[in-house]
Parts: sequence; C-alpha cells; structure tokens
Amino acid sequence: DGGITQSPKYLFRKEGQNVTLSCEQNLNHDAMYWYRQDPGQGLRLIYYSQIVNDFQKGDIAEGYSVSREKKESFPLTVTSAQKNPTAFYLCASSIEGSEQFFGPGTRLTVL
Amino acid sequence: GESVGLHLPTLSVQEGDNSIINCAYSNSASDYFIWYKQESGKGPQFIIDIRSNMDKRQGQRVTVLLNKTVKHLSLQIAATQPGDSAVYFCAENTGGFKTIFGAGTRLFVKA
Repeated sequence: DGGITQSPKYLFRKEGQNVTLSCEQNLNHDAMYWYRQDPGQGLRLIYYSQIVNDFQKGDIAEGYSVSREKKESFPLTVTSAQKNPTAFYLCASSIEGSEQFFGPGTRLTVL
Repeated sequence: GESVGLHLPTLSVQEGDNSIINCAYSNSASDYFIWYKQESGKGPQFIIDIRSNMDKRQGQRVTVLLNKTVKHLSLQIAATQPGDSAVYFCAENTGGFKTIFGAGTRLFVKA
C-alpha cells in the first residue's frame, strides 16, 4: 500500500532533550512538509522540502531542524531550544500544485 | 499578507440536514483550493478540490463552490451524518509546493 507513515505515535520528552520524529513516504512525492498543531488550532508550517538535500523554513522553524537525505524520508528534530514543544506533529507529502497527503501524526509531550 | 480564514469556527447541525462550511481567501493569485477533514487524533484527509477555472465541483455528498469575485470558498455536505463530525480545513495553493491552510471549522452533528 502506498502511503505516508509517522513514528512514534506518542513521544515523551524530558526538558532539555532533543527528540527526532520519523516520517516516511512511498508515494514517490518530491515534496514533504512538517506541521505543528496545538489543541483546537490550525496547522502551522515548520519546514518543507521540495527536493532531496534541500529544505526551507516555514513560519515557525525556530527550535526545529530537518534533513532530507532520501526522497522517502524527512525526519524532524525537536531541539532543546524549542521552548514549548508539546503539540501534535503532522508530516505530509505532495507533488507540485496538488493536494498534500498527511501521516497519522505524532503527539509529543514534554514531561 | 496571504491568509485563508473561516467565517464560523464551530458549526452544529442536526443529523440529516445539510451543512455549509465557509472560507475566505485573500490571495487572488491562488488557483487551486482544497478541503480537508480531520478527525480527532488523526491527520487531515483530502475531501475535494477545485481549480480556479471552475466555480463548482461535486463529489459524493459534498460540493465545493468557488466565488472568485468575492474570494469565497464553501463546502456543502448533504444529509450530514454523525461520521461527518470533524474539523474541516480549507487550503489554497498558488501552483507551487506551498499550501496555506485556514484555521478550521469544527462540525458537530447532533443525532
């Protein structure tokens, strides 16, 4: 089955720790995206990548980092510099000018 | 700046009635519009889309209307069912990779 997967589904982090969220797609999409969603809120773009080895900051990139070494993978690292990281994180992929396909999300909680 | 907004953040309808969710956009260069449905704890799912050369598009129980004159988009759901309860997002795209999402409308369906 073609699709986009995220892992883990739930993640707990202690203050001061970096954590990495996984996102994999086998849809052969060029573009991948990371969004943050707070309770009762919309989607805010963190980073996006249009092609391998290239990525751009979104609206709220501070405290986050990404890499795009493979077309299928776009991991997101939440660093200790992110002061309020508790949120629901969504990964998506797309081809240019078309709808985005979303993963199931990772819920990150800081203890 | 560019924005996609929603007129009604919460909508409550009776089961069997029709639902109308509205969305305003400000970027006249946007030429592709998408509606997504997000159920609690899940990633958004594509419902229906429309290009700017159309003013109406129908799917199964859903219809999207586009009024470019007033920059307005709406999603109509016929015979609303309990399974339609979710948050609905409109989104706009100018033909590239980046999509701008609206704030979302929560739809409650009363049995």
